[in-house]
Amino acid sequence: AQKVTQAQTEISVVEKEDVTLDCVYETRDTTYYLFWYKQPPSGELVFLIRRNSFDEQNEISGRYSWNFQKSTSSFNFTITASQVVDSAVYFCALSEARRGYQKVTFGIGTKLQVIP
Amino acid sequence: GAGVSQSPSNKVTEKGKDVELRCDPISGHTALYWYRQSLGQGLEFLIYFQGNSAPDKSGLPSDRFSAERTGGSVSTLTIQRTQQEDSAVYLCASSLGSSGGAVQFFGPGTRLTVL
Repeated sequence: AQKVTQAQTEISVVEKEDVTLDCVYETRDTTYYLFWYKQPPSGELVFLIRRNSFDEQNEISGRYSWNFQKSTSSFNFTITASQVVDSAVYFCALSEARRGYQKVTFGIGTKLQVIP
Repeated sequence: GAGVSQSPSNKVTEKGKDVELRCDPISGHTALYWYRQSLGQGLEFLIYFQGNSAPDKSGLPSDRFSAERTGGSVSTLTIQRTQQEDSAVYLCASSLGSSGGAVQFFGPGTRLTVL
């Protein structure tokens, strides 16, 4: 069975600090996908990134970066120079790569508060 | 529309009443999902529709919950004889294609309050 663990339930940082959100996953599949979503106070989940299990290259997008390590089953998310607008709940998610079926397992989310 | 829409945005009902929540997915998206998010909790999978295939109902918490998707587009989630523990935000998402890596796009949710 799939499982996603986000051990940090709430994090508070001061603006301009860097922050890393942890995500650890469990799956028996060798082919799978990992996602990060952002849920701002307005409530609507916004897709941030998708990685497949064969691509361990880290990715950077502006102030956001993701570190995927299969050896530790982790897919951590770092925000550099955090801003107040980054305050949100961030969800890590996992799906198996079965054609014709997609069930995504979400972590419980990490609530990030960036203090001005 | 450009994104997933849900209606109503808020619903307050009395215990024991039935409610219907509507989801209009992104045009052309073949897959549609319903989730429930209780206060401070993660996303709980409820049901998944993919094209004309039989839906995956494995997440529905009780037989008071049902959902249908008409014409492969709009979906309605029905909760019968609502209970206070049904109070939550109900999220709908849709995705293009049926592969495991398909990105889900979420609607704004319906906040259900059962008094």
